[in-house]
Amino acid sequence: DSGVTQTPKHLITATGQRVTLRCSPRSGDLSVYWYQQSLDQGLQFLIQYYNGEERAKGNILERFSAQQFPDLHSELNLSSLELGDSALYFCASSAGVSNQPQHFGDGTRLSIL
Amino acid sequence: KNEVEQSPQNLTAQEGEFITINCSYSVGISALHWLQQHPGGGIVSLFMLSSGKKKHGRLIATINIQEKHSSLHITASHPRDSAVYICAVISYGQNFVFGPGTRLSVLP
Repeated sequence: DSGVTQTPKHLITATGQRVTLRCSPRSGDLSVYWYQQSLDQGLQFLIQYYNGEERAKGNILERFSAQQFPDLHSELNLSSLELGDSALYFCASSAGVSNQPQHFGDGTRLSIL
Repeated sequence: KNEVEQSPQNLTAQEGEFITINCSYSVGISALHWLQQHPGGGIVSLFMLSSGKKKHGRLIATINIQEKHSSLHITASHPRDSAVYICAVISYGQNFVFGPGTRLSVLP
């Protein structure tokens, strides 16, 4: 058990809809990372938050947004969903801001119909 | 050319064999991760390296910053090592770039 909790585990929705994925980091960890894993593009880094502030941005679409709350949990919001957004979305956490071992959640599997 | 490449793409080994998975990258990095993804999808971080060598149990990871190359070695491989092994580099801009993964099957 990594100590990182992601909800929901599975999500099925339709094109054009909006969903929110939630991540609770391991106790004591201040950084949260979001990743997308699709069949055709593999793992991609989306965004990192550290202690409530955006720290690094990867290949995150404008339709996607994220935030980290004062209690350090994070949410990834995906809107105007397209079929290509179907993927596994992982959250990871680490203690510090950079170059730290990361602990991964079990992922949220998003299916767009 | 992809920024992070791994070889081999697929690897089948007999239990007990010594295994090496290679990762080459083309960008300047501050650190490199080796990840293990099990058939069920869960990801475990095995190592984070910025120089030299690290060992954990039967796993050894090395990195050569000058040659932009890292290797993951598994000694005395076991069927439970069957997984996808992914190399990920962290650029100086804190962007993560992942390799395509190496699928390892260890047969009993």
